[in-house]
Amino acid sequence: AQSVAQPEDQVNVAEGNPLTVKCTYSVSGNPYLFWYVQYPNRGLQFLLKYITGDNLVKGSYGFEAEFNKSQTSFHLKKPSALVSDSALYFCAVRSLYSGGYQKVTFGTGTKLQVIP
Amino acid sequence: DVKVTQSSRYLVKRTGEKVFLECVQDMDHENMFWYRQDPGLGLRLIYFSYDVKMKEKGDIPEGYSVSREKKERFSLILESASTNQTSMYLCASSFLGGGTEAFFGQGTRLTVV
Repeated sequence: AQSVAQPEDQVNVAEGNPLTVKCTYSVSGNPYLFWYVQYPNRGLQFLLKYITGDNLVKGSYGFEAEFNKSQTSFHLKKPSALVSDSALYFCAVRSLYSGGYQKVTFGTGTKLQVIP
Repeated sequence: DVKVTQSSRYLVKRTGEKVFLECVQDMDHENMFWYRQDPGLGLRLIYFSYDVKMKEKGDIPEGYSVSREKKERFSLILESASTNQTSMYLCASSFLGGGTEAFFGQGTRLTVV
């Protein structure tokens, strides 16, 4: 069984400061890892993904994430937070079922609050 | 611009009613998914489909069924709505490849009274 943990329900950061939203995962085999963002009353939007290769992945809106295989983590980062980054962030892991069908497991989400 | 469209943003239904939630995607994706989102629980997979007429149960299929008669359309059916099915429902689609991201609809907030 695969799983994703986002240990913080909420992260508060001052505007202009660096931000980190944490994610750890458990999956058999190689993971495909994703970050999504959800603004109020909206669906989820894709931010970035790790498939293979460079452990540092860059995505939309200046976000990046670092894949750490030994720690089974995929933390989301941004060097300088904006008030407009305030939203709900979801980490997700994807693997193959036996038989080749694909399932995505999402974390419970972390609310990011950027304080002006 | 890619699009996943859910037929309703808000729905209010009575207990015991049969409820249909419709989702259409215009990206020729093979995979389609239905999730429900509840505070503190994140997204939980109800059903997914990887091809027309094919479906697989997710983590919480009880009380739900799905239909995929055409590639672009995936319907979620609540056979007899109950108050514990009050939730935000999200439809998503993706290509079959393992590393492909999902595209989400705007969500349907369903209230069962």
